Amino acid sequence: EIVLTQTPGTLSLSPGETATLSCRASQNIRSSYLNWYQQRPGQAPRLIIIGASNRATGIPDRFSGRGSGTDFTLTISKVEPEDSGVYYCQQYGFSPSIIFGQGTRLEIK
Amino acid sequence: QVRLVESGGGLVKPGGSLRLSCGASGLTFNKYYMSWIRQAPGKGLEWVAFMSETGRTIYYADSVKGRFTISRDDADSSLFLDMNSLRAEDTALYYCASFFQGLDGGHLDYWGQGTLVSVSS
Repeated sequence: EIVLTQTPGTLSLSPGETATLSCRASQNIRSSYLNWYQQRPGQAPRLIIIGASNRATGIPDRFSGRGSGTDFTLTISKVEPEDSGVYYCQQYGFSPSIIFGQGTRLEIK
Repeated sequence: QVRLVESGGGLVKPGGSLRLSCGASGLTFNKYYMSWIRQAPGKGLEWVAFMSETGRTIYYADSVKGRFTISRDDADSSLFLDMNSLRAEDTALYYCASFFQGLDGGHLDYWGQGTLVSVSS
């Protein structure tokens, strides 16, 4: 079974800085099967990146994703207080099942 | 506007049963795969079950296989999760989510706000 490992566990940044979140898969996965979600405190998760690099509807262009094979990255440029929350990568396809990484907590100071 | 509303959560004793429901509006329900995802208190997301739009394809996480049953009623745009033999580790906020199955990949595009299940004696 594929395991998704997200680093760092917690990221603390000031407004205006750039956040770089990593998601590493235990084996090669298709980019089209890798998605990212944002979960703000007290809210349900929200889809932000589809297929490794495509922003979901309504997601600002400060959010970008890239990667292939086993290494994927979510970048948030010029972070804002509203970007605080936990970010999860998710893979679909093998087993078949839906697998989530353990999440990266983003704190905006 | 898509809306998914879960209900049916509550406090149940270990070994007990519960039925969760999810009502959908604003999407063509019978064209969508649907899924249940849960989140234990203070923990990450865990996929639970998944059902195709026809109902012919159903998958479960190993942690719930044989105890939970996912089903749907397209006439009522509703998704269900029947949970039996509940354990303390099933305590979580249960989310209903629609799954967009593309030609090459898929993603959970809409989520409800969740319903809380607590398993405790």
